[in-house]
Amino acid sequence: AQSVTQPDIHITVSEGASLELRCNYSYGATPYLFWYVQSPGQGLQLLLKYFSGDTLVQGIKGFEAEFKRSQSSFNLRKPSVHWSDAAEYFCAVLTGTASKLTFGTGTRLQVTL
Amino acid sequence: DSGVTQTPKHLITATGQRVTLRCSPRSGDLSVYWYQQSLDQGLQFLIQYYNGEERAKGNILERFSAQQFPDLHSELNLSSLELGDSALYFCASSGRLADQETQYFGPGTRLLVL
Repeated sequence: AQSVTQPDIHITVSEGASLELRCNYSYGATPYLFWYVQSPGQGLQLLLKYFSGDTLVQGIKGFEAEFKRSQSSFNLRKPSVHWSDAAEYFCAVLTGTASKLTFGTGTRLQVTL
Repeated sequence: DSGVTQTPKHLITATGQRVTLRCSPRSGDLSVYWYQQSLDQGLQFLIQYYNGEERAKGNILERFSAQQFPDLHSELNLSSLELGDSALYFCASSGRLADQETQYFGPGTRLLVL
């Protein structure tokens, strides 16, 4: 069965510093991968997605993610974090045959000024 | 704003009661998904409907049921509520031809069972 692991439960970075959130997936075929962000009391907003093609994908709010098949990873990056990026970030995988998204446990990002 | 709407935003009820959560998908989307987010279980897929028909089922309890109406809005019915049903319930939709695999989420309904 497919699964998603986000090994970091909580990350704190200073405003202006770079950010990398880790995501590892388990799935036999090429997965469809997503990153969503959830601000406090809000719904899930799609940041970016990977289906095929270029392994480096650009998203909204200056985020990017790189798909690495050899490492089964889809890490999210941002070169310079803003205080408004403080939120919870979820990595998710959609299998080819099922319609459901399988989410990781999330990484809570705290940004210090 | 994803274009997916959910009502109500908050719901407080007592154990043993029944509630109905409502979701309107984005214009043109045929698929509706329901997810539950709780502290102990995280984000869990419950059920999917496509153009009025049940398409996929996840970890949905027998006390819970859903349906999708001809106008494509969906309702999630939760009955015989227990304290452990307190959670954030999300609806998502997908289905536009050029973007069928991407699910767009509503703001959620926060359910508190007392």
